Amino acid sequence: GNSVTQMEGPVTLSEEAFLTINCTYTATGYPSLFWYVQYPGEGLQLLLKATKADDKGSNKGFEATYRKETTSFHLEKGSVQVSDSAVYFCALHKSGYSTLTFGKGTMLLVSP
Amino acid sequence: ETGVTQTPRHLVMGMTNKKSLKCEQHLGHNAMYWYKQSAKKPLELMFVYSLEERVENNSVPSRFSPECPNSSHLFLHLHTLQPEDSALYLCASSRTYRGADTQYFGPGTRLTVL
Repeated sequence: GNSVTQMEGPVTLSEEAFLTINCTYTATGYPSLFWYVQYPGEGLQLLLKATKADDKGSNKGFEATYRKETTSFHLEKGSVQVSDSAVYFCALHKSGYSTLTFGKGTMLLVSP
Repeated sequence: ETGVTQTPRHLVMGMTNKKSLKCEQHLGHNAMYWYKQSAKKPLELMFVYSLEERVENNSVPSRFSPECPNSSHLFLHLHTLQPEDSALYLCASSRTYRGADTQYFGPGTRLTVL
């Protein structure tokens, strides 16, 4: 079946540090890939997505590239802010399935 | 008001109580979802509705009973819950069911079962 694996958290960084959160997936064919973010006390919101191999999704300074050869969709940001502290979820959608398969989430804590 | 709203935001109930969670979406979407979010576990999809018809029920115990009276509203009726049902319950909606459409989430209801 489909699955998503994310690195365990929490990830603790200082402001302006470089961020990488790893995500790998298992699925047949070419799923669409997503990163969702959940700020404290809120629901999930879409951060970025990519629908085919080599696509790069980007938003709010975050980027992720769909790597079919390594089945990965790692999230990166060049300089994190305290306001980026949240839980980040990697997810995939396989055509013909109703909904998303989520990873367990990675908490990011950014200190001033 | 825009987006997806959920009420109440917090709920504490005893094991013998009956309560309901409400979700409303103002996006004109056709599909709505209930998820359960427990600590240190992936999001669990509970139910999916498309055009007010239940299209998925992922082995959820009968003490959880969903209702979708129209495409904008979704309820989750709760009765005789167990302490392990304590979790954040998230509602989401998307334009269509089965497409790779973005799902929009509400803020969730934090449920505590005593």
